[in-house]
Amino acid sequence: EIVLTQSPGTLSMSPGERATLFCRASETVSNNFLAWYQQRPGQAPRLLIYGASTRATGIPDRVSGSGSGTDFTLTISRLEPEDFAVYYCLQYGRSPSTFGQGTKLDIK
Amino acid sequence: QLQLQESGPGLVKPSETLSLTCTASGGSISSSGAYLNWIRQPPGKGLEWIGSAFYSGNTYYNPSLKGRVTISVDTSKNQFSLKMRSVTAADTAVYYCARGGGIAVAHQWGQGTLVTVSS
Repeated sequence: EIVLTQSPGTLSMSPGERATLFCRASETVSNNFLAWYQQRPGQAPRLLIYGASTRATGIPDRVSGSGSGTDFTLTISRLEPEDFAVYYCLQYGRSPSTFGQGTKLDIK
Repeated sequence: QLQLQESGPGLVKPSETLSLTCTASGGSISSSGAYLNWIRQPPGKGLEWIGSAFYSGNTYYNPSLKGRVTISVDTSKNQFSLKMRSVTAADTAVYYCARGGGIAVAHQWGQGTLVTVSS
């Protein structure tokens, strides 16, 4: 199965700053079938990005995804208080679909 | 807007079968192209894809669960279900049902339900 490694494990930032999160796959992700989720404490995950760079419905344009092959990035510009959460990447190009271990974005 | 709600026992004994149902309201679960997913999260840990059913009836499972899982869809009740056999303490988790356009790619999620495996 494809192993996804997210970095950093924890990212401490201040509101208004730009955050960059990374997801590296152990093999090429077919068709760039890579998604990003946000999970706030006590809540279900929320889909942010799919197809590596397509924003899900209702996601603001300060959230963006990029990358291809084995290296992918989630960027959140101008951090808002509600952005401080855990972020997971997911590859769904090859079965079984697998998640990264998560990056916690917390307030500095 | 489609909403999903998981239901089922919160406590299951080791070696028994975990059974959960996801009921949809505000829309149909079986619209064209929809995948119906089960995903779980052990307490304090990350997410694991369990399996999915495509709207046409095909099912897909995570091989790590060694054939213990069955997902079924009942369109007449607007529900889909998860059965996991021979559970152990390692199956203790919050179980989510979710619907979307791909395997584990889900725009709509239930709130999740905690299932504890313990005698």
